[in-house]
Amino acid sequence: QQQVKQSPQSLIVQKGGISIINCAYENTAFDYFPWYQQFPGKGPALLIAIRPDVSEKKEGRFTISFNKSAKQFSLHIMDSQPGDSATYFCAATRAGKSTFGDGTTLTVKP
Amino acid sequence: DAGITQSPRYKITETGRQVTLMCHQTWSHSYMFWYRQDLGHGLRLIYYSAAADITDKGEVPDGYVVSRSKTENFPLTLESATRSQTSVYFCASSELAGQSLSPVYNSPLHFGNGTRLTVT
Repeated sequence: QQQVKQSPQSLIVQKGGISIINCAYENTAFDYFPWYQQFPGKGPALLIAIRPDVSEKKEGRFTISFNKSAKQFSLHIMDSQPGDSATYFCAATRAGKSTFGDGTTLTVKP
Repeated sequence: DAGITQSPRYKITETGRQVTLMCHQTWSHSYMFWYRQDLGHGLRLIYYSAAADITDKGEVPDGYVVSRSKTENFPLTLESATRSQTSVYFCASSELAGQSLSPVYNSPLHFGNGTRLTVT
């Protein structure tokens, strides 16, 4: 049973466009929802995170939208840049342990 | 520099051999984790440790052994490697945030750069 479902698997966006990645979770006990960015040959690195008592969090061009009742959260990348091309993972965390989505490979075309 | 160091970066071993992947962190974080990354499966938790001498199984622990005698080190051993264990292995750490608060809040994972293991 996959506890965190992520979509799409891959995404191609033109430079300056908006990239949207969606995740859905099942366990209502999760209490921390981070997004990680991974470049080839590197480990994932925290991009932005949200707690379930907040519906939206914005940091620069990156925004998390959180819908607790629907058990869904999404990452929006505004004004997408070629340097944003990477793999993005959503995660849901409880008691220190994180469950990850399968990842989205984002390609931003110049 | 502070951070998480994994070694080796690349390893090729034969089926049936024992292999140990090393992980060292300089932050004195309480929690340490081992994940494996496979195409189509994202990151799956193998084992984790909440403190020295405290370890617990994750989602896919079979065929792996861990130990944590010191806070900074968390080695992962494949007792008898199989081809299905060919993967990229990531070590991560996190601090236990909000220890003086109730409830305890989670904090982000800090990952190493991984070990690419090939079992032939």
